[in-house]
Amino acid sequence: DGGITQSPKYLFRKEGQNVTLSCEQNLNHDAMYWYRQDPGQGLRLIYYSQIVNDFQKGDIAEGYSVSREKKESFPLTVTSAQKNPTAFYLCASSMNGQVNQPQHFGDGTRLSIL
Amino acid sequence: ILNVEQSPQSLHVQEGDSTNFTCSFPSSNFYALHWYRWETAKSPEALFVMTLNGDEKKKGRISATLNTKEGYSYLYIKGSQPEDSATYLCALLGGTSYDKVIFGPGTSLSVIP
Repeated sequence: DGGITQSPKYLFRKEGQNVTLSCEQNLNHDAMYWYRQDPGQGLRLIYYSQIVNDFQKGDIAEGYSVSREKKESFPLTVTSAQKNPTAFYLCASSMNGQVNQPQHFGDGTRLSIL
Repeated sequence: ILNVEQSPQSLHVQEGDSTNFTCSFPSSNFYALHWYRWETAKSPEALFVMTLNGDEKKKGRISATLNTKEGYSYLYIKGSQPEDSATYLCALLGGTSYDKVIFGPGTSLSVIP
């Protein structure tokens, strides 16, 4: 089945540690996105990429980094600079990044601080 | 700062009832509006993409309308079923690219059998 796979489902980070969240899609979509969800708030955009080897910051990019070396993959690194990383992270993709195309989402990764 | 609001925050209805909820957004910053359904332990699923004032979309028992002049969209569910229980999200696309996307906080619907 075509879809988006996020791993791991749950992740724990120690203080001062970088962690990487995986996102893979086999939908042949050009655009991919990372969102963060905090309790009681809407999803907030961290980074997005419309083509391979290119990505742009969203509203809350500080403390995060991404890469887009392959069309299928868009990993998110939560760095030690992100002071409040505990949240639920969702990866998404869309066909071509145009706003008249819907997004397809993964199941998410829940990150917690030890 | 642009804000997208959804009301009510949560809703409990009996099976068979029809229901509706609202997504409100600043009308001056509209390019598209998306509706998603997010069931517990699953990934959000796209319901509708709406781009024109007066748009009406329908998918089975679920329909949506859009008023860009006054800045709101309604989502209707006719004859609610337990499987409709989910959080319904709307997202405003305020520009031609996703750097202007703003999600509302969602409306949580519980359908009681």
